[in-house]
Amino acid sequence: KNEVEQSPQNLTAQEGEFITINCSYSVGISALHWLQQHPGGGIVSLFMLSSGKKKHGRLIATINIQEKHSSLHITASHPRDSAVYICAVSVWYSGGGADGLTFGKGTHLIIQP
Amino acid sequence: GVTQSPTHLIKTRGQQVTLRCSSQSGHNTVSWYQQALGQGPQFIFQYYREEENGRGNFPPRFSGLQFPNDSSELNVNALELDDSALYLCASSLVLAGVNEQFFGPGTRLTVL
Repeated sequence: KNEVEQSPQNLTAQEGEFITINCSYSVGISALHWLQQHPGGGIVSLFMLSSGKKKHGRLIATINIQEKHSSLHITASHPRDSAVYICAVSVWYSGGGADGLTFGKGTHLIIQP
Repeated sequence: GVTQSPTHLIKTRGQQVTLRCSSQSGHNTVSWYQQALGQGPQFIFQYYREEENGRGNFPPRFSGLQFPNDSSELNVNALELDDSALYLCASSLVLAGVNEQFFGPGTRLTVL
């Protein structure tokens, strides 16, 4: 069973700061997902990646498959970025079938004006 | 998008509940997750083309159905207090192992 660890669990920063959230996992995966969850529960998929780096606006996600580690970066952070950021991994089997996502516990980010 | 109903639900211990999910049109896979307060979601099970295609560490009283019309259900029998949680469904179109999931807003279940 894969274990997904995130750090930090809580992060408070000032508007404009560069934010980094880290994720590590224990076994091989098919893809790693970064998700955003706002109060009230809705989850939005930010990135799905299996190698390298992806960028979307002020968000950047990187993954190092050899080290089983991924980071989510937010540049020029803004109070509207305040949310819980969750790392999750998925594993697909070559013979068919799959496990659902295995989630980390999330990082609660607060950006203060 | 993905929709879920109802938004909130209150049940008593021992009762049965059915939660519903409407997948994004054309998606062939739906996954269900349970999220307890302050925790990350936990995988319950996944349905691919109307067949269960993977299951997490949940007892058989958690069951599901997936229908051809992009709708699906999560059924929980003999409710326990610990079943109180946010239940999320996510739909995806599985192609060559790629499984980007699109989440619904969730159903918050309270068991008294």
